[in-house]
Amino acid sequence: AQKITQTQPGMFVQEKEAVTLDCTYDTSDPSYGLFWYKQPSSGEMIFLIYQGSYDQQNATEGRYSLNFQKARKSANLVISASQLGDSAMYFCAMRANSGTYKYIFGTGTRLKVLA
Amino acid sequence: NAGVMQNPRHLVRRRGQEARLRCSPMKGHSHVYWYRQLPEEGLKFMVYLQKENIIDESGMPKERFSAEFPKEGPSILRIQQVVRGDSAAYFCASSPTGASSYEQYFGPGTRLTVT
Repeated sequence: AQKITQTQPGMFVQEKEAVTLDCTYDTSDPSYGLFWYKQPSSGEMIFLIYQGSYDQQNATEGRYSLNFQKARKSANLVISASQLGDSAMYFCAMRANSGTYKYIFGTGTRLKVLA
Repeated sequence: NAGVMQNPRHLVRRRGQEARLRCSPMKGHSHVYWYRQLPEEGLKFMVYLQKENIIDESGMPKERFSAEFPKEGPSILRIQQVVRGDSAAYFCASSPTGASSYEQYFGPGTRLTVT
């Protein structure tokens, strides 16, 4: 069975500092994708970044990067130069590249950026 | 190109009433996923549909819940005889091919409150 674990219910970071949000996963599928989504207080799900299980390099999108360690089954999100607008819930998700391609989500981490 | 549309955005129902949630996928997308988010939790997969077919309903409660995606018109998630425990945010996501597209595009969600 697939599982996503986010062990940090809440995190604080000072504005302009970097922060790492942890995510570990479990799957027996050889091919899968890992995603991070941001959910602000308004409630919508905003796609941030994607990492494929066969990708050799860590994914980056602007201030977001994904620290992918396949052997440790971890896919941590790094946000550099935090901004006040980064305060939100962050969800890690996984999708197997077979079957019905449904997403499995973690329980989320609430990030608060301090001025 | 309009994004995934969901309506209503907010829905209030009394216990025992029916709730109908609508999802219009992005143009050209023929695959729809429904997820439920209980307060302070991550999203949980409910059902995956293609036009006129239910592909995977392993996350749907056995009773009172049903979903459809007709040839014409939006996908509908229907909850009969709602109970307080059905109060949640319901998200729909669409993808262009389902099988090979790695990204699902989420709608803004419908927040259902059962009084």
